[in-house]
Amino acid sequence: DTAVSQTPKYLVTQMGNDKSIKCEQNLGHDTMYWYKQDSKKFLKIMFSYNNKELIINETVPNRFSPKSPDKAHLNLHINSLELGDSAVYFCASSQVGGTDTEAFFGQGTRLTVV
Amino acid sequence: GDSVTQMEGPVTLSEEAFLTINCTYTATGYPSLFWYVQYPGEGLQLLLKATKADDKGSNKGFEATYRKETTSFHLEKGSVQVSDSAVYFCALNLYGNKLVFGAGTILRVKS
Repeated sequence: DTAVSQTPKYLVTQMGNDKSIKCEQNLGHDTMYWYKQDSKKFLKIMFSYNNKELIINETVPNRFSPKSPDKAHLNLHINSLELGDSAVYFCASSQVGGTDTEAFFGQGTRLTVV
Repeated sequence: GDSVTQMEGPVTLSEEAFLTINCTYTATGYPSLFWYVQYPGEGLQLLLKATKADDKGSNKGFEATYRKETTSFHLEKGSVQVSDSAVYFCALNLYGNKLVFGAGTILRVKS
């Protein structure tokens, strides 16, 4: 059973296109995240949702729009894709609680913009 | 702001060598500290964690001790294996809803 699953695993698209990445978790967690990993492996949080409500938006361009239809899903839609958007995007989830809460990650979506 | 600094990689070791990956943090409060590991082609998974000063986290032969006086959480393993080759991330969580990661350290173990 996959705890946090993302689709697609690979996405190659042209500049200017609009694309979506889907994420689902079956852990019963109430918090979900999107992280971006650049070519140097650096990981940075983009968004965090708690019970379908946005709680963290880390100065991400408004071309990126997360959508959470329910607390088990957090999708990422990207408009007008740019070359600099090429990266690996990770979805994660955790149970809200103290600072010791573990986050569970999906396998990542490698986005390549050409 | 809150941040994590890790030693730069890649770190290349022979099998059975001793491993240390340095990690220091800056935080306005008292965070929990984590080491996550990313194997090739996979997502991150928790390796170990510590929630307060002097706590030691351990798992799969890896250890790290939360040192408040030096704001450090160095990862160690006494004898690495080829299967330990991966990217290792140090992270902190201060407010319960956001992990702040270091830049990651690539470890390569040769047989």
